[in-house]
Amino acid sequence: GAGVSQSPSNKVTEKGKDVELRCDPISGHTALYWYRQSLGQGLEFLIYFQGNSAPDKSGLPSDRFSAERTGGSVSTLTIQRTQQEDSAVYLCASSPGLGPDTQYFGPGTRLTVL
Amino acid sequence: QKEVEQNSGPLSVPEGAIASLNCTYSDRGSQSFFWYRQYSGKSPELIMSIYSNGDKEDGRFTAQLNKASQYVSLLIRDSQPSDSATYLCAVIGSSASKIIFGSGTRLSIRP
Repeated sequence: GAGVSQSPSNKVTEKGKDVELRCDPISGHTALYWYRQSLGQGLEFLIYFQGNSAPDKSGLPSDRFSAERTGGSVSTLTIQRTQQEDSAVYLCASSPGLGPDTQYFGPGTRLTVL
Repeated sequence: QKEVEQNSGPLSVPEGAIASLNCTYSDRGSQSFFWYRQYSGKSPELIMSIYSNGDKEDGRFTAQLNKASQYVSLLIRDSQPSDSATYLCAVIGSSASKIIFGSGTRLSIRP
């Protein structure tokens, strides 16, 4: 079946602009995660959605970052007033279980802020 | 102290040898442990999961877990150049609220 998809695959924007990154999880997966990975670094947890529960936003680095998940499926990560330090690959993952479990990653969105 | 710690490497291993990757974690109540492989420019993919003390084998890969020592490792037998990648250790802590990833160990298999 189809895996996790993300769009766009690449995004170049100017400092100060807002960007939206989209994630389509695997159908039926209840959990959805967003991570950020800077060049040569590990995964930085951003936000976690589990079913209809309130999301775990503890990893969002500032109030410029927000995310929503509509209908328990597609998720959008929004970064307002982008800064150069926001440049990274943004990875989305989904998992089927009721809690954190095996995660299936999307191909990522490479964000470059000029 | 980081919640999940890995040596960043690079770890260089000759082809055909055993590669040993190590990970320690701080939350003693952690119950679930994962190894992900990430090729350069690609997304992580799951290699192994382990939930109880001891060894778990899958082909050339063996995961080892020692909860008393808060230590999990991944052994790769008969290493191949295609095993060259970054290996990420991931742990679900006692709160079971999210997975915490280590920063990864870069493995290089030299012909």
